[in-house]
Amino acid sequence: GAGVSQSPSNKVTEKGKDVELRCDPISGHTALYWYRQRLGQGLEFLIYFQGNSAPDKSGLPSDRFSAERTGESVSTLTIQRTQQEDSAVYLCASSLRMGNPVGETQYFGPGTRLLVL
Amino acid sequence: SQQGEEDPQALSIQEGENATMNCSYKTSINNLQWYRQNSGRGLVHLILIRSNEREKHSGRLRVTLDTSKKSSSLLITASRAADTASYFCATAASNDYKLSFGAGTTVTVRA
Repeated sequence: GAGVSQSPSNKVTEKGKDVELRCDPISGHTALYWYRQRLGQGLEFLIYFQGNSAPDKSGLPSDRFSAERTGESVSTLTIQRTQQEDSAVYLCASSLRMGNPVGETQYFGPGTRLLVL
Repeated sequence: SQQGEEDPQALSIQEGENATMNCSYKTSINNLQWYRQNSGRGLVHLILIRSNEREKHSGRLRVTLDTSKKSSSLLITASRAADTASYFCATAASNDYKLSFGAGTTVTVRA
């Protein structure tokens, strides 16, 4: 079956513009996660969804960042008034369900590489 | 903040040799996972080890977990050029769904 897909693969934008990043999770996966990875660093957790709800938004770096999920499927991460420090790879992952007491594997998409000039 | 820290930051080995990298973490965990990332793109899940497990194997991969030392190791045996990648450990805390990633170990396998 298809894995997690993200679009666009690459995005170059000017400082101050808004961008939307899209994630299509694996069909049937109820949990969806967004991470950010700056060059040469590990992943920073941004937000996760259980179904269409986002119980924890604490990883979002500022109020310029928002995300939504519809139909327990597609998710969109929006960054308003982009800044140069927003430049990073934005990775989306999905997992079958959340709350399994022994944890579960997250399946990652290829990421969107965002460059803010 | 990142919970896991990988060591070494970079590793260069000859094809056929074994590669070992370590991960240390700070808080109690539910499980620890290792991922591989090629060319700064999507991560591929390699192996998950639960907190009550001490060792796990998957093909040429061997993972150990020592919860008393809060550390894990990933061993890649008989390395191949295709193993060239960055390797990350990720931990899931006991009461948390989130994965916390380290900064990774960059492995280069020379042909």
